Amino acid sequence: SQTIHQWPATLVQPVGSPLSLECTVEGTSNPNLYWYRQAAGRGLQLLFYSVGIGQISSEVPQNLSASRPQDRQFILSSKKLLLSDSGFYLCAWSGDRQGPGELFFGEGSRLTVL
Amino acid sequence: LAKTTQPISMDSYEGQEVNITCSHNNIATNDYITWYQQFPSQGPRFIIQGYKTKVTNEVASLFIPADRKSSTLSLPRVSLSDTAVYYCLVGENTDKLIFGTGTRLQVFP
Repeated sequence: SQTIHQWPATLVQPVGSPLSLECTVEGTSNPNLYWYRQAAGRGLQLLFYSVGIGQISSEVPQNLSASRPQDRQFILSSKKLLLSDSGFYLCAWSGDRQGPGELFFGEGSRLTVL
Repeated sequence: LAKTTQPISMDSYEGQEVNITCSHNNIATNDYITWYQQFPSQGPRFIIQGYKTKVTNEVASLFIPADRKSSTLSLPRVSLSDTAVYYCLVGENTDKLIFGTGTRLQVFP
C-alpha cells in the first residue's frame, strides 16, 4: 500500500532563518507531488506541484522554493523565513491509478516563525 | 477553474442525516466533483467523487443534478467523530485543485 510521510511535524524558526521540509512517498512510482499551505482558520493554498523529477510548477510567488531530487521525494525550502510563512504545510500525492480528483495527504508540518 | 461556494458552518446532532450543498455554476464538461474531510491538525482525506447523478460509498452519498451546477454531500446518521471541515472541489484532475475554506460541521450529542 502507498504511504506518505513528511517531517518535521512541528518546528519553530526565527525570522530570517532557512527552512527545509521533506516529504517522501512509498509504494508507488512517478507520483504527482504537491505542497499546500494552510494558515490558521483558512483553506488550503497550493504552493507547488510536480509531475516528475526536476519538474516543479509554482502557483504562488513567494520566498519559498521546492525541489524534487528523486521520484518520490519532495522538498520545500526557504533561504529566509518571513513571519507570514507560519502555517500548516501539507504534502500530497496523486497517481494515474486514482481518481481525477483524489489526493493523498501527509500528516502535515506545523511551522511557527517568530 | 470552477469556483465553489458552500456554507461556512453547519450544526447537527448525533444520529441525524447531514446534507452539505456546494454550488459550482461554472463547472466545465470534463470536471469532476470531489469532497474531502479534514480534522484539526491533519491533512484532508478523500471522501467521495462523482461526475453526475448519484454516487454512494461506505461513508457518504453524493448527489449531482443534471445541470451539475451544484452537488450535495450526504452523511447518514452522523456521530461526534464526523465533526470536521468538509471541502467541495471541482476540477478535471488533481493539478491545481483549489481548496476553499470549506464547511465546518459541528455534531452535538
